[in-house]
Amino acid sequence: DTGVSQDPRHKITKRGQNVTFRCDPISEHNRLYWYRQTLGQGPEFLTYFQNEAQLEKSRLLSDRFSAERPKGSFSTLEIQRTEQGDSAMYLCASSKTSGDETQYFGPGTRLLVL
Amino acid sequence: QQQVKQSPQSLIVQKGGISIINCAYENTAFDYFPWYQQFPGKGPALLIAIRPDVSEKKEGRFTISFNKSAKQFSLHIMDSQPGDSATYFCAATEGTSYGKLTFGQGTILTVHP
Repeated sequence: DTGVSQDPRHKITKRGQNVTFRCDPISEHNRLYWYRQTLGQGPEFLTYFQNEAQLEKSRLLSDRFSAERPKGSFSTLEIQRTEQGDSAMYLCASSKTSGDETQYFGPGTRLLVL
Repeated sequence: QQQVKQSPQSLIVQKGGISIINCAYENTAFDYFPWYQQFPGKGPALLIAIRPDVSEKKEGRFTISFNKSAKQFSLHIMDSQPGDSATYFCAATEGTSYGKLTFGQGTILTVHP
């Protein structure tokens, strides 16, 4: 399968703990995006990278959130000191910057903060 | 600020019927309007997309109608099938930050056999 993959698919954690999610984009895609989706809502943009450069961050991305894409390939999203309000589906997407610029989404990581 | 409003929240149609989902946007800089389909436990998948230089785009049973002056666009699913039962999201993005999608709230479509 050459689609976008995310790991883990599910994460249960206690409030105050740190969590880290990983996204592996489609291999030739140089753009990578993170979105958050809560129940009954559409995905909300968090941040995006072009290669290793983080080009935009949403105001939704508090100081407790950090994202990296160190070598322009996979990306990690870390949430420090998790809160119950962080419970959501975290979606990763990737795209090219020319030709077909469609964003292809991964299956998501569902986070539950107890 | 909710920039893309989607309606209805849920929709039930009979097999063979027409499903219509509507979206309205506020940001006149938006210039790309995709529709995504999402099944439970899966990420959204692109269904069809349109740019504002055309008023309609058709791909198989799926058609987007676009009204630039009204800042509205809609998805029509002809001959709806039970396999179309999913959540549908409209979205929009602008050229200056191409790729940062702003999504509507979603419509849960149920097609009865």
